[in-house]
Amino acid sequence: TQLLEQSPQFLSIQEGENLTVYCNSSSVFSSLQWYRQEPGEGPVLLVTVVTGGEVKKLKRLTFQFGDARKDSSLHITAAQPGDTGLYLCAGRFSGTYKYIFGTGTRLKVLA
Amino acid sequence: SAVISQKPSRDICQRGTSLTIQCQVDSQVTMMFWYRQQPGQSLTLIATANQGSEATYESGFVIDKFPISRPNLTFSTLTVSNMSPEDSSIYLCSAETGGTDTQYFGPGTRLTVL
Repeated sequence: TQLLEQSPQFLSIQEGENLTVYCNSSSVFSSLQWYRQEPGEGPVLLVTVVTGGEVKKLKRLTFQFGDARKDSSLHITAAQPGDTGLYLCAGRFSGTYKYIFGTGTRLKVLA
Repeated sequence: SAVISQKPSRDICQRGTSLTIQCQVDSQVTMMFWYRQQPGQSLTLIATANQGSEATYESGFVIDKFPISRPNLTFSTLTVSNMSPEDSSIYLCSAETGGTDTQYFGPGTRLTVL
């Protein structure tokens, strides 16, 4: 069974702090996506990474794909209350068409 | 990108009844997926809706319980049949255009079964 483990599961921080969320698997991804979901809405795509070692930035968010394409991280600099939400990674494994979602990280940023 | 709408946005149903959820995409897409999500938790793939052929179901999900239609490249339906309270969940559809590794989601349907 292919699994995506995210850590931490929950995170509550003060506005202005930095944080990192991890997404790990024992299998190799052909691509990996990060999503943010707010209550009552569907997940919104933040980024797709496909190349081992790739780093992408989206304003205060930095996404890194591991060299071996088995893991990824999301780093948020100077978190704001608007960053509050459920963060999900989703991986597509080589040779498959479907996505497997990570266990999720619930982030709360306090003003 | 693709914009996806779902109907209904929420419903409260009696056990033993069925509900059909509609998913409409504003452009033609190759792949459409149906997921289930318990509030505050991650997503579990139910099935992949294939245009012109039967849906492909994941382990633990069967066609008799979750029949899916995909009549064209912009539309799909998921029916939750013979509902029980355990079917109470959020149901999400998503779509991906071929070869993009990019999946877009609808807003979800919140289902409560009494």
